[in-house]
Amino acid sequence: EIVLTQSPGTLSLSPGERATLSCRASQSVSSSYLAWYQQKPGQAPRLLIYAASSRASGIPDRFSGSGSGTDFTLTISRLEPEDFAVYYCQQYGSSPWTFGQGTKVEIK
Amino acid sequence: QVQLQESGPGLVKPSETLSLTCTVSGGSISSYYWSWIRQPPGKGLEWIGYIYYSGSTNYNPSLKSRVTISVETSKNQFSLKLSSVTAADTAVYYCARVNPSLWGQGTLVTVSS
Repeated sequence: EIVLTQSPGTLSLSPGERATLSCRASQSVSSSYLAWYQQKPGQAPRLLIYAASSRASGIPDRFSGSGSGTDFTLTISRLEPEDFAVYYCQQYGSSPWTFGQGTKVEIK
Repeated sequence: QVQLQESGPGLVKPSETLSLTCTVSGGSISSYYWSWIRQPPGKGLEWIGYIYYSGSTNYNPSLKSRVTISVETSKNQFSLKLSSVTAADTAVYYCARVNPSLWGQGTLVTVSS
């Protein structure tokens, strides 16, 4: 099973700042089958990025994903008020599919 | 547009079987993979398994002995059964289309006597 470790656990930033979230895999993620989700309280997760760097439909271009192998990054270029949430990475390249434990982006 | 809706009992007794159904509306269940994911209160996400519309399945080994996912294309539904539940199975259960990703709103299932 591929274990995904996200860091930091919590990121305290102000609107307008840049957010950089890390997701490290215990072994190489096949074909960069790595996704990022955003979850707000009481809501289902929403797909932001798939295949490590492809933005999902309707996702603003301030969200970008990068990385390959075992190291992946989600970058939010300029935080908007609605971006404060919990972010999860997920690998779907090998079974069982697994999620990271999440990074909370909170208002400083 | 396509929507997913989970349905089923919100309370299940320990040792019994949890049963949930996901109804797909606004589109066909055919030609896609469909998945179940759960999230214990205040915790992270756990993938339970997926099913292809043709019926082939893949389950998380940690739950495999207790899980069955099935599909009923005529009703545009797929279902989850989790047997021998304990309090550790208390969670919000989400159904989702795999690619492109689309999730239901989730339903809380509590295991308690």
